Amino acid sequence: DAKTTQPPSMDCAEGRAANLPCNHSTISGNEYVYWYRQIHSQGPQYIIHGLKNNETNEMASLIITEDRKSSTLILPHATLRDTAVYYCIVRVASFQGGSEKLVFGKGMKLTVNP
Amino acid sequence: NAGVTQTPKFRVLKTGQSMTLLCAQDMNHEYMYWYRQDPGMGLRLIHYSVGEGTTAKGEVPDGYNVSRLKKQNFLLGLESAAPSQTSVYFCASSYASDRTPYEQYFGPGTRLTVT
Repeated sequence: DAKTTQPPSMDCAEGRAANLPCNHSTISGNEYVYWYRQIHSQGPQYIIHGLKNNETNEMASLIITEDRKSSTLILPHATLRDTAVYYCIVRVASFQGGSEKLVFGKGMKLTVNP
Repeated sequence: NAGVTQTPKFRVLKTGQSMTLLCAQDMNHEYMYWYRQDPGMGLRLIHYSVGEGTTAKGEVPDGYNVSRLKKQNFLLGLESAAPSQTSVYFCASSYASDRTPYEQYFGPGTRLTVT
């Protein structure tokens, strides 16, 4: 079962920041938070990941609360091409031979409106 | 780099027929994975491989077999297709992790319909 909870859907206006929430209240100390997205039935695309600290890359920012029980993915200037299903996933850090598998929930549909 | 490619892109099978889906990656990744995605659902792991010559079962392995004879290729076989195997199949690959799991790169998918 997925270890994260996301709202089923969310709307955002084009050009505005999109803040996508995720709850992972049972996260363990060695688990990372990963975000992927899937645009219109294409293969999922990696966005960003983090452990404790906030992270930023060219696509997005990831804000993780101090207790690590929730996080927010921020798309700073959403465009129509950001319309997709976004998946928040927790993953174990240490190599265990099979722990690299991703457990996808249903994700959250983000619709960016003109 | 082509990244992760999948062959074929679409396929229609009759119940009981067999087929093999091919996944290839040119990123020298150690790990490879096969997922399936049913309508309105997230992806579920079928089988995975942590290196050439090794495979392991994932969440939903029944009805499928896999082989990893070459590092760059991961084959998914359906010996006797059933309508329940109608789905979109995604292959993914990643580097072997040390302490941080690496991101997975996904192929474009194969849309399989079993009638």
